[in-house]
Amino acid sequence: KAGVTQTPRYLIKTRGQQVTLSCSPISGHRSVSWYQQTPGQGLQFLFEYFSETQRNKGNFPGRFSGRQFSNSRSEMNVSTLELGDSALYLCASSSTGGNTGELFFGEGSRLTVL
Amino acid sequence: GENVEQHPSTLSVQEGDSAVIKCTYSDSASNYFPWYKQELGKRPQLIIDIRSNVGEKKDQRIAVTLNKTAKHFSLHITETQPEDSAVYFCAASIEGNMLTFGGGTRLMVKP
Repeated sequence: KAGVTQTPRYLIKTRGQQVTLSCSPISGHRSVSWYQQTPGQGLQFLFEYFSETQRNKGNFPGRFSGRQFSNSRSEMNVSTLELGDSALYLCASSSTGGNTGELFFGEGSRLTVL
Repeated sequence: GENVEQHPSTLSVQEGDSAVIKCTYSDSASNYFPWYKQELGKRPQLIIDIRSNVGEKKDQRIAVTLNKTAKHFSLHITETQPEDSAVYFCAASIEGNMLTFGGGTRLMVKP
């Protein structure tokens, strides 16, 4: 069974640009959540989608958005990039919508903003 | 919202010794407490979890304890091995797959 796949793995952008990251969950998993990992702030929850609906949203500005498609694949978008958005963005999928199952993380997309 | 504090931030032990990492949480509604291990350059992976209706759970050399009254939970690793060297994150969840993570503990096991 293929794991969680994130693309692109690495990308470099400049301030003011926007970026779209993609996540393909494990086959059959309907929940996809996104986390930002930085050395200073650690792992922070961005949002969670289940069956194309956003269930929870973390404390991030509106520049951070996401969506989920009918095949459970998810994308997150960051507009008007700032230097502080440089981070590893991790996607995680789960077979359940409640906190009853393991989260399986992808390798992440490492974003550098110059 | 929920807040999770994790201590220590770094921990160095000799191979074969035990390691203990402690976390406290703020929201008494939290009911799920997983622990993730992240090796350098790798993805976080679940190593053990515990729910609020359980006080202790063991899996071979790893155990987790939960004190709901004091709102803290701990990870215990016995007979540590060099391959246990990694960053460990505790987390707490009230609902869904929204996890609030602690700051992480870098465990170094010296051979």
